[in-house]
Amino acid sequence: QQQVKQSPQSLIVQKGGISIINCAYENTAFDYFPWYQQFPGKGPALLIAIRPDVSEKKEGRFTISFNKSAKQFSLHIMDSQPGDSATYFCAASNTNAGKSTFGDGTTLTVKP
Amino acid sequence: SAVISQKPSRDICQRGTSLTIQCQVDSQVTMMFWYRQQPGQSLTLIATANQGSEATYESGFVIDKFPISRPNLTFSTLTVSNMSPEDSSIYLCSVASTWTSGEAFFGQGTRLTVV
Repeated sequence: QQQVKQSPQSLIVQKGGISIINCAYENTAFDYFPWYQQFPGKGPALLIAIRPDVSEKKEGRFTISFNKSAKQFSLHIMDSQPGDSATYFCAASNTNAGKSTFGDGTTLTVKP
Repeated sequence: SAVISQKPSRDICQRGTSLTIQCQVDSQVTMMFWYRQQPGQSLTLIATANQGSEATYESGFVIDKFPISRPNLTFSTLTVSNMSPEDSSIYLCSVASTWTSGEAFFGQGTRLTVV
């Protein structure tokens, strides 16, 4: 049973455009929802994260929108740049347990 | 954030042999995890490395194949035993701590190729 579903699998946007990646989760015990950015040959790097007591969190060009009732959350990358081209993973975890369940990943390509 | 060092960064191994991967953290952390990332795939949790006791394995992973040690709060090892080409993956160490509000951080990973 896949507990975190991520879409789309791949995404191509023009420089300056908005990239949107969506995730849905099933386990209501999850209380921490991070997004990771991974470049080839590197480990995942924490990009931004949200907890279910807020509906939105913004850090620079990156925004997480969170819908607790729908059990969905999304990553918005504003003014996308070629340097944002990477694989993005959503994840969900229970803070006390610490271990994360990951989505399948989205390969983002930003065309100049 | 925690700084995680993994060694080796990559290796090519013969089938039937074993490889031990080391994970060193620059600060004490309560939780350490080992993940596997097969080529082009997502991350799958192998086990939670428990300090001073046996690791907790996820479904589909067993101690005989992936023995794990965690002698203290800053160090852990994962051994991939009796390797086959299907074990070719990136193996990642991850840490989380109540001091970081549950945020998880990853090492650079060990890229393993079994021939």
